[in-house]
Amino acid sequence: DTAVSQTPKYLVTQMGNDKSIKCEQNLGHDTMYWYKQDSKKFLKIMFSYNNKELIINETVPNRFSPKSPDKAHLNLHINSLELGDSAVYFCASSQEPSTDTQYFGPGTRLTVL
Amino acid sequence: QQQVKQSPQSLIVQKGGISIINCAYENTAFDYFPWYQQFPGKGPALLIAIRPDVSEKKEGRFTISFNKSAKQFSLHIMDSQPGDSATYFCALSGGYNKLIFGAGTRLAVHP
Repeated sequence: DTAVSQTPKYLVTQMGNDKSIKCEQNLGHDTMYWYKQDSKKFLKIMFSYNNKELIINETVPNRFSPKSPDKAHLNLHINSLELGDSAVYFCASSQEPSTDTQYFGPGTRLTVL
Repeated sequence: QQQVKQSPQSLIVQKGGISIINCAYENTAFDYFPWYQQFPGKGPALLIAIRPDVSEKKEGRFTISFNKSAKQFSLHIMDSQPGDSATYFCALSGGYNKLIFGAGTRLAVHP
């Protein structure tokens, strides 16, 4: 059983397009996150949701919009894709929005041409 | 501004040797210091974590040493194995479980 799953695993698209990445966790956790890992492997948090409410929103362009339809899902929609958006995007979840183990998904490699 | 500085960037160790990765931070507001391990093509996974009320934590071959006054913490991997070859990230957390990651250390353990 996959704890945190993401789809798609790979996403190749043209500049200017709009795309979505889906994330689901079956751990019963209350908190979910999106991270971006760049080509140098630097990992940076983008968003965090607790019980469907946004609790962390880092300085991310407005083109990125997270959506949490329920506690088990946190999707990431990206408008007007740019070359600099190319990265690996990781979804993660934890039981609580406190110092607690975060479980990461396998990642979605986004390539913008 | 980099809130946590991790070194070295890459590390080559012989099988059976000790791997040591260091992290230093500035802000004392953090109260949770995890290390994550990432294999190629996979997401990071928690390896071991420590809170600032202890100076050392050991789990199997992995040990975190924590120096609160120096604002430094390190990961020691004893008897390093080729299967330990991965990228290791230290992280800081304080408030809303916002993990701030170091830049990562790519460890290669040669047989």
